Amino acid sequence: GAVVSQHPSWVICKSGTSVKIECRSLDFQATTMFWYRQFPKQSLMLMATSNEGSKATYEQGVEKDKFLINHASLTLSTLTVTSAHPEDSSFYICSARGVTEAFFGQGTRLTVV
Amino acid sequence: AQSVTQLGSHVSVSEGALVLLRCNYSSSVPPYLFWYVQYPNQGLQLLLKYTSAATLVKGINGFEAEFKKSETSFHLTKPSAHMSDAAEYFCAVRRTNFGNEKLTFGTGTRLTIIP
Repeated sequence: GAVVSQHPSWVICKSGTSVKIECRSLDFQATTMFWYRQFPKQSLMLMATSNEGSKATYEQGVEKDKFLINHASLTLSTLTVTSAHPEDSSFYICSARGVTEAFFGQGTRLTVV
Repeated sequence: AQSVTQLGSHVSVSEGALVLLRCNYSSSVPPYLFWYVQYPNQGLQLLLKYTSAATLVKGINGFEAEFKKSETSFHLTKPSAHMSDAAEYFCAVRRTNFGNEKLTFGTGTRLTIIP
């Protein structure tokens, strides 16, 4: 199946700093990518839908100025958590659209201290 | 709106025993249903999907699921559990068969295999 690579797999940052997470589709072009957030022992919650060359569509309740999404090419979308705080600590997962299904990255565990 | 409900946040079965993970859906249109598996600190891997072609769907790793419209269910089964099946399993629903449509996930079921 198609491969989606997410980087880094884990990151620890200080409160107030920004963190960038990359999501790459390695062997296919993805016009649409999704960003999810997963709290411990909970399900995945969709944060935003990222479309190549246009602004991301954020789900209700997600701060677009805090979670900046850029989808500048057909193989790369980035999520930047700006001015991170401990409550932003979570597992972030991206997925890239295929024709009939979405392929998931391996996730990024963010810890803000 | 569409949703899925997974009954049982934790399921434990003995190695070699039947695995049954329950998922019920709610949808105003014929749904497209998915089962994903997540190993610790990893992303999701597609186990199988229902796209209306056949009600009994076979997936990877010996798993299968049956779509029952009358019961609005899409339960996941495996005849004989293996230690490597220990993971978190998510049921998901989508309105269409297009990859750019968002998935709505259930709350997940953690499967533990008892040696």
